[in-house]
Amino acid sequence: QQQVKQSPQSLIVQKGGISIINCAYENTAFDYFPWYQQFPGKGPALLIAIRPDVSEKKEGRFTISFNKSAKQFSLHIMDSQPGDSATYFCAASYGTGANNLFFGTGTRLTVIP
Amino acid sequence: DAMVIQNPRYQVTQFGKPVTLSCSQTLNHNVMYWYQQKSSQAPKLLFHYYDKDFNNEADTPDNFQSRRPNTSFCFLDIRSPGLGDAAMYLCATRPVRWERGIRTDTQYFGPGTRLTVL
Repeated sequence: QQQVKQSPQSLIVQKGGISIINCAYENTAFDYFPWYQQFPGKGPALLIAIRPDVSEKKEGRFTISFNKSAKQFSLHIMDSQPGDSATYFCAASYGTGANNLFFGTGTRLTVIP
Repeated sequence: DAMVIQNPRYQVTQFGKPVTLSCSQTLNHNVMYWYQQKSSQAPKLLFHYYDKDFNNEADTPDNFQSRRPNTSFCFLDIRSPGLGDAAMYLCATRPVRWERGIRTDTQYFGPGTRLTVL
């Protein structure tokens, strides 16, 4: 059972446009929601993360919007650049044991010049 | 500077021939994870160590074993690799600490080892 659902599977955006990736979860025990960026042949790297006590977090061109009541969160990439072309994974974890991450299925983003 | 190091970056083995992948960290983190990632899929957790305590995921095949001789190193042993075990294997670490009352949950991933099984 997929604990975190992610959409779309792939996304093509023009340079300068806004990229939006959505995730939804069911487990209300989740209290940490990171986004990871992965380039081909590389390990995932933390991009930005949020906890459910805030509805939005912004770091540079990257913003997470979080809707606790709807159990949804999304990543917005403003002014998308070709260098942003990568696979993005949302994830969730909760605070017991080793805080295992439950990953979404990933979104392959392509930003065309 | 690399914080989570995986060796080798590329490993080719033959069907059924045991292989060991290694991970080392300079972060002194308590928790180390091993993930398997197949093409166009999310990383799948195989097991993790919380200090010396080993935790196996329920659906991790017995073919996969792990060792953590000290804080810095962790090994993934695949006893009899099958064609279906060809994948990227990712190591990750996480500290167990609180900063300003907030638990640190960030996992730091290594670059991965690409395993090919012939």
